[in-house]
Amino acid sequence: DVKVTQSSRYLVKRTGEKVFLECVQDMDHENMFWYRQDPGLGLRLIYFSYDVKMKEKGDIPEGYSVSREKKERFSLILESASTNQTSMYLCASRLDRGNTEAFFGQGTRLTVV
Amino acid sequence: AQKVTQAQTEISVVEKEDVTLDCVYETRDTTYYLFWYKQPPSGELVFLIRRNSFDEQNEISGRYSWNFQKSTSSFNFTITASQVVDSAVYFCALSEARDTGNQFYFGTGTSLTVIP
Repeated sequence: DVKVTQSSRYLVKRTGEKVFLECVQDMDHENMFWYRQDPGLGLRLIYFSYDVKMKEKGDIPEGYSVSREKKERFSLILESASTNQTSMYLCASRLDRGNTEAFFGQGTRLTVV
Repeated sequence: AQKVTQAQTEISVVEKEDVTLDCVYETRDTTYYLFWYKQPPSGELVFLIRRNSFDEQNEISGRYSWNFQKSTSSFNFTITASQVVDSAVYFCALSEARDTGNQFYFGTGTSLTVIP
């Protein structure tokens, strides 16, 4: 079975903390993505990466950074967590072709207090 | 501009009713791909179907069927004889062949509740 694994299902962090969300895929996919999901807004792309050490901003990159040191791992970093970053975060990976589906992790529900 | 529009935010149906989820997309590419995903309460998005822009054949898979119409830029999803297990949020998505980032553009989702 193909797998995208996110390190945590639930996280509670304090305002100002540095937060790391980890995502690992075992499918040798070139592309990896981080989305956040909020009610009424659907999935919004934060960052994506099409190769190791490569990254591109998505629609809402402010307050976030990413790291991709190895092909299978894509990390989302909240440099200084704020309450408006409380959300569901979804990681996905995809082969480097437009006609393929993306595979998603189970999501991390982050609460910033 | 929103590339994928799912105008229905929430739908409730009684078990065994048929239900159609609407999806309208916008693109200037001639080659593109459309997808439907299901997100059950557990949270993980599950891939349901992919359609490329050159294939307008409708597809049926068990109780699920999809109607792709380029003339109206729509890719609608019908569940026949709905069941409680169909309760989920459903997302329609678009991917464009010229997009080097291979991004997905998601709609805002339709939350379907099937009442027993």
